[in-house]
Amino acid sequence: SQTIHQWPATLVQPVGSPLSLECTVEGTSNPNLYWYRQAAGRGLQLLFYSVGIGQISSEVPQNLSASRPQDRQFILSSKKLLLSDSGFYLCAWQISGINYGYTFGSGTRLTVV
Amino acid sequence: QKEVEQDPGPLSVPEGAIVSLNCTYSNSAFQYFMWYRQYSRKGPELLMYTYSSGNKEDGRFTAQVDKSSKYISLFIRDSQPSDSATYLCALTFQGAQKLVFGQGTRLTINP
Repeated sequence: SQTIHQWPATLVQPVGSPLSLECTVEGTSNPNLYWYRQAAGRGLQLLFYSVGIGQISSEVPQNLSASRPQDRQFILSSKKLLLSDSGFYLCAWQISGINYGYTFGSGTRLTVV
Repeated sequence: QKEVEQDPGPLSVPEGAIVSLNCTYSNSAFQYFMWYRQYSRKGPELLMYTYSSGNKEDGRFTAQVDKSSKYISLFIRDSQPSDSATYLCALTFQGAQKLVFGQGTRLTINP
C-alpha cells in the first residue's frame, strides 16, 4: 500500500533562518507531488507541484522553493524565512494521470518567530 | 469570480441533526467531485468521491452533484461529535494536474 511521510511535525524557526521540509512517498512510482500551505482558519494555498523528477511548477511567487531530487521525494526550502511564512504545510501525492484525488501527509506546523 | 465558492462557516449544530454542506463552481468542465474532511492539526483525508452528476452514499454520508446548477453537496445524517471538523470540497477534470479546493467549512457538532 502507498504511504506518505512528512517531517518534522512541528518546527519553530527564527526570522532569517533557512528551511527544509521533506516529503517522501512509498509504494508508488512517478506520482504527482504537491506542497500546500494553510494559514490559521484559512483554505489551502497551492505552493508548488511536480509531475516528475526535476519538474517543478510554482503557483505563488515568494521566497520559498521546491525540488524533486528523486521520484518519490519532494523538498520545500527557503533561504531566509519571513514571519509571513508561518503556517501549516502539507505535502500531497496523486497517481499521475488518474483523477482519484490527493492523499495528504500529516503536515508540518511552522512558526517563524 | 472564484472557481469554487464554499461558505467558511463556522456551522454549529446539535448532535443527531442532518448537516448540509455545499459548494458552487463556475467551470462547467469539472467532472470529478470530492469531499475532504480535516480534523484540527491534521492533513485532509478523502471522504467522498463522485464522478459526474448524481448521488453517492456511504454510511451516514451522501454526496450529491448537480452539474446543471454547478452545485455540489455533502449531507451528514445522524451527526456525531466526531464529525466535528473542517470539510473541503475539491473539483477537477480529466487531464488536470491539480485539484481546485473550496475554502472549507468548519463544522461543530454539539453533544
